[in-house]
Amino acid sequence: QKEVEQNSGPLSVPEGAIASLNCTYSDRGSQSFFWYRQYSGKSPELIMSIYSNGDKEDGRFTAQLNKASQYVSLLIRDSQPSDSATYLCAVNGPAAGNKLTFGGGTRVLVKP
Amino acid sequence: KAGVTQTPRYLIKTRGQQVTLSCSPISGHRSVSWYQQTPGQGLQFLFEYFSETQRNKGNFPGRFSGRQFSNSRSEMNVSTLELGDSALYLCASTVGSGGNEQFFGPGTRLTVL
Repeated sequence: QKEVEQNSGPLSVPEGAIASLNCTYSDRGSQSFFWYRQYSGKSPELIMSIYSNGDKEDGRFTAQLNKASQYVSLLIRDSQPSDSATYLCAVNGPAAGNKLTFGGGTRVLVKP
Repeated sequence: KAGVTQTPRYLIKTRGQQVTLSCSPISGHRSVSWYQQTPGQGLQFLFEYFSETQRNKGNFPGRFSGRQFSNSRSEMNVSTLELGDSALYLCASTVGSGGNEQFFGPGTRLTVL
């Protein structure tokens, strides 16, 4: 089992719709969770961090964390073509020596 | 506040050569982590330095090494380059060590011929 798993996609959503991305992790002791956006040919850009169960909203982005079920999700509301990118989930946990472990990423395509 | 900078941005080397990449973290950040990104393997952790000490190391051969200087700038070195070392090498800086938000530099694209 991979430490951090994401569906590779592509996740195709129409402009204006909600994109829903999921990420599961194996280290039950994980405490810090991050979402990064990576455009093709560019480096990852941090868009959300979440540390406690529940929802965290920032603009059009909402991160949701459920430690009991070991998943973290990202919602993108009112999706725009500029949101087309690969979204990486990253988890920090003791089993990995408290280093960041990344999922393989979900490619999102927003169609006008 | 200036972001993370990496030099050079692009490199072309041949097999057997060695290469040194440089990373300057965000001012005030003391931790630097290095990652290798390839289409097949994704983002893989190389090592983390905090206050000039290696705090974590990934599963890479000893040909990959790094160091951090007193001003928090970091370098990584790859010796005896192999074709499979072609990748985007990213460094990320954070304030402390472990658990904090990491901010990535633009990366160095290494091509090994």
